[in-house]
Amino acid sequence: LAKTTQPISMDSYEGQEVNITCSHNNIATNDYITWYQQFPSQGPRFIIQGYKTKVTNEVASLFIPADRKSSTLSLPRVSLSDTAVYYCLVLRSNDYKLSFGAGTTVTVRA
Amino acid sequence: KAGVTQTPRYLIKTRGQQVTLSCSPISGHRSVSWYQQTPGQGLQFLFEYFSETQRNKGNFPGRFSGRQFSNSRSEMNVSTLELGDSALYLCASSLQGAMSDTQYFGPGTRLTVL
Repeated sequence: LAKTTQPISMDSYEGQEVNITCSHNNIATNDYITWYQQFPSQGPRFIIQGYKTKVTNEVASLFIPADRKSSTLSLPRVSLSDTAVYYCLVLRSNDYKLSFGAGTTVTVRA
Repeated sequence: KAGVTQTPRYLIKTRGQQVTLSCSPISGHRSVSWYQQTPGQGLQFLFEYFSETQRNKGNFPGRFSGRQFSNSRSEMNVSTLELGDSALYLCASSLQGAMSDTQYFGPGTRLTVL
């Protein structure tokens, strides 16, 4: 089971770039890495998913090194509304076990 | 397109009672997964249903059960409630399944067991 580890919290200021790194040392060949965002009293919301190298969408970028033992979610120019908990998730494609990280609480200050 | 809906949003029960939670997935989605979220354990996978069949199950006792109907709506039942069952219960739907597809989460049902 690909256990994930991520920092408990991070602080930032508006306009800065926030980078959250997730470790998944036991990731298997067919596993995908997905990041979700969760606001209080709401369910998680999909941000981005990747398998290797770099993936970018309108919200974030995901960097995955060649060994895939970690991944970094990059949030460009954060705003106050980006204050949330961010979860790193490794999808096991062969045994249907889901491993959510404990989540990183990102606080953006003015 | 309407999102995932869960009912009720809040629930208070006492120990020993049983509870049923409901989840309506996004139209066209055949997979519904259930999660328990607590401050101490984080997000934990309960089970997934796909086309009315349980496809996989997490490490929860048999008191936690579920089912899915032909319209993909799903229910989760917890019997003989314990204090430790107090949590936010989330359901998520996807087209092809939790393992291979983006999941869309509902707002959750906040269950408090007294």
